[in-house]
Amino acid sequence: DSGVTQTPKHLITATGQRVTLRCSPRSGDLSVYWYQQSLDQGLQFLIQYYNGEERAKGNILERFSAQQFPDLHSELNLSSLELGDSALYFCASSVGTANQPQHFGDGTRLSIL
Amino acid sequence: EDQVTQSPEALRLQEGESSSLNCSYTVSGLRGLFWYRQDPGKGPEFLFTLYSAGEEKEKERLKATLTKKESFLHITAPKPEDSATYLCAVQENTDKLIFGTGTRLQVFP
Repeated sequence: DSGVTQTPKHLITATGQRVTLRCSPRSGDLSVYWYQQSLDQGLQFLIQYYNGEERAKGNILERFSAQQFPDLHSELNLSSLELGDSALYFCASSVGTANQPQHFGDGTRLSIL
Repeated sequence: EDQVTQSPEALRLQEGESSSLNCSYTVSGLRGLFWYRQDPGKGPEFLFTLYSAGEEKEKERLKATLTKKESFLHITAPKPEDSATYLCAVQENTDKLIFGTGTRLQVFP
């Protein structure tokens, strides 16, 4: 058990809809990262928050947004969903930044019908 | 562009048959190289971090090594429970991890 909690485990929805994925980091971790894992592309970095502030952005679509709350949990919002958004979405956390290992949750599997 | 390449894509071993997994990388300045294990339906599980060429880390049957261009994950006398996908990732000048596509390892009794 990594200590990172993601909910829900599975989401099934339709094109055009909006969903919210939630992540609770390990106790004491200030950094939260979101990654997308699809069959053809492997794990791709989306966005990072550190202590409530956005720190880095990857190839995150404009339809996607995230935030980190004062209690350090994070939410990833996906809107105007398309079939291609079907993937596993992982959250990871680390104590700080700079070379710290990231610990991953078990992901949310998003299926768009 | 940064690139992480893992080989082989898949590896089948008999129990007890030692082997190595390769991770080659091209980044302008390596801050760290990370090895993870991923089981089906689970998130990646952290194994090792390597920071500089020549460094080695060990954990049970696994040993990770690092050179200036690649890393190896050596598996000694593997057991069926070592079956998983092994992921390599590098960290350059930001905190994000750049992952390879992994090596799927199957160990048969």
